[in-house]
Amino acid sequence: DVKVTQSSRYLVKRTGEKVFLECVQDMDHENMFWYRQDPGLGLRLIYFSYDVKMKEKGDIPEGYSVSREKKERFSLILESASTNQTSMYLCASSFLGLSISYNEQFFGPGTRLTVL
Amino acid sequence: GNSVTQMEGPVTLSEEAFLTINCTYTATGYPSLFWYVQYPGEGLQLLLKATKADDKGSNKGFEATYRKETTSFHLEKGSVQVSDSAVYFCALIPGGGSNYKLTFGKGTLLTVNP
Repeated sequence: DVKVTQSSRYLVKRTGEKVFLECVQDMDHENMFWYRQDPGLGLRLIYFSYDVKMKEKGDIPEGYSVSREKKERFSLILESASTNQTSMYLCASSFLGLSISYNEQFFGPGTRLTVL
Repeated sequence: GNSVTQMEGPVTLSEEAFLTINCTYTATGYPSLFWYVQYPGEGLQLLLKATKADDKGSNKGFEATYRKETTSFHLEKGSVQVSDSAVYFCALIPGGGSNYKLTFGKGTLLTVNP
């Protein structure tokens, strides 16, 4: 069974803390993604990676960085957490599309982060 | 740029009612279109997809037809159940180039009452 797991379901941090959100997939997917989900805004792409050590900015990368040292693991880092980063964070993975046919993105259960 | 507009919720229906959630898009080229569903407390799951004009995606009694002339991909179900209560997201991947980046609509919350 396909699986994307995220390290925590709920996380509470203080303003200024460094925060690590971990995502692991067991499907040997090349692509991995980090989104944040906010009411009324839907899902917005923060960063994605199409290979180990490769990354590209998504639509809202400010205040975030990522790390992909192994194919199965993709980490989202908040260098100095702020209250406006309180949100639901979703990780996803997919195969690298080699043609116009789409390869489904599989999502993890999400991490609800609260920054106080 | 690429964008997806879906009807705002929340939508509240009684069991066995007919469901329509409207979705229209703006995209370059010929996009692939998707509906994802998010059940309470869970991540997103792909519900159905269509990759070219006039294709119909279907799954679990839900259907959506890719209408290029109206740039639409409306989600329908003939008889909803309480277990269909969830948030539904319309999404696209644009044709050509970056064929792995999804653009999502804002989501529509559906509540089905017994």
